[in-house]
Amino acid sequence: AQSVTQLDSHVSVSEGTPVLLRCNYSSSYSPSLFWYVQHPNKGLQLLLKYTSAATLVKGINGFEAEFKKSETSFHLTKPSAHMSDAAEYFCVVSGPGAGSYQLTFGKGTKLSVIP
Amino acid sequence: DTGVSQDPRHKITKRGQNVTFRCDPISEHNRLYWYRQTLGQGPEFLTYFQNEAQLEKSRLLSDRFSAERPKGSFSTLEIQRTEQGDSAMYLCASRPGTGTYEQYFGPGTRLTVT
Repeated sequence: AQSVTQLDSHVSVSEGTPVLLRCNYSSSYSPSLFWYVQHPNKGLQLLLKYTSAATLVKGINGFEAEFKKSETSFHLTKPSAHMSDAAEYFCVVSGPGAGSYQLTFGKGTKLSVIP
Repeated sequence: DTGVSQDPRHKITKRGQNVTFRCDPISEHNRLYWYRQTLGQGPEFLTYFQNEAQLEKSRLLSDRFSAERPKGSFSTLEIQRTEQGDSAMYLCASRPGTGTYEQYFGPGTRLTVT
């Protein structure tokens, strides 16, 4: 079984300040981990992925995430928030459960960016 | 490069009616997934196809839900005798058969049952 816990349902930051969105996962397997972003009235877009290569993963739009196995965490960071980063962010785990590699989503973190 | 498309984008129906949604995956992707997303929640997995074979359907929400992918290309999701609780966003995703496991999502079909 696999699951994801996003520790904050809502994060608010000022434009130009760092962003930290926290995620803990649980998986019986060596997982693949992802962050997806969903802008209002837009589809889900892949931000970045971890698939057992480098533990520090770089994604689009300046986002990064670090896989920490000892802490079962995969937190998303960005050094400087931009107004266009305001969206819902989902931490996602995938594994071979049932052979389908279905994605298991967290409940999401809504990021607000204050001008 | 054509992404995943879904049709219709919005559907309003009356309780008790049947509805069908269509998903066209990225052309070279043989894996296709359906998810449901309700307000304030992350998407939840419903069912999965590898080519035309439906390999996982135990997570379909009830026997009113069914899905097909008859020729291994597009897929349809049908909900019979809709209920107000079926109101949600229905998402389709696809991925290639090899390589990494990220999925590419369509824009979704928003269903409202009145």
